[in-house]
Amino acid sequence: DIQMTQSPSSVSASVGDRVTITCRASQGISSWLAWYQQKPGKAPKLLIYAASSLQSGVPSRFSGSGSGTDFTLTISSLQPEDFATYYCQQANSFPRTFGGGTKVEIK
Amino acid sequence: QLQLQESGPGLVKPSETLSLTCTVSGGSISSSSYYWGWIRQPPGKGLEWIGSIYYSGSTYYNPSLKSRVTISVDTSKNQFSLKLSSVTAADTAVYYCARQDDMATTYDYWGQGTLVTVSS
Repeated sequence: DIQMTQSPSSVSASVGDRVTITCRASQGISSWLAWYQQKPGKAPKLLIYAASSLQSGVPSRFSGSGSGTDFTLTISSLQPEDFATYYCQQANSFPRTFGGGTKVEIK
Repeated sequence: QLQLQESGPGLVKPSETLSLTCTVSGGSISSSSYYWGWIRQPPGKGLEWIGSIYYSGSTYYNPSLKSRVTISVDTSKNQFSLKLSSVTAADTAVYYCARQDDMATTYDYWGQGTLVTVSS
């Protein structure tokens, strides 16, 4: 199985801050990576697919980059509604696997 | 607007079989463009992919659960289902159904999730 490692596990930030979350795959996955946002008690929401493609309806302050084993999710200017947990997921091979999550908290 | 809704018992006894159904509305489960999947999340923990199914019945399962999992589809009812046998407390989780693209890569529509507790 491909292991997905996210860092940091949590980050404290203020509204307006730029936030970067990293996801590393245990082996190369090309650009087969997605990012999800999950708020408490809710299902995950797809933000980014194919490493850098923005899902329809997702604000442009979210962006993704990377290929191979190293990927980043960037929130350019954190908004109050962005406080949540973020997960990466590899789609290169089965079984599909997720990172452990990064919780973005209010500073 | 596509909607997915999980249904099934919220409490299952150890060693029994967990059974859940996902009803799809606002779109056809028979579309050749999509797979349909199950994902679970133990309380306070991360996400685990369980398996996926195509409308034709073709399936992919997580090897860690493969011996206990069956996913099936009923196109006449626009539903797909999950059965997980010989459950233990470790199977306690929120179970989500979701739609995937035609390569079963990403999940773009999710159900609200249903908590299943394994306890006697």
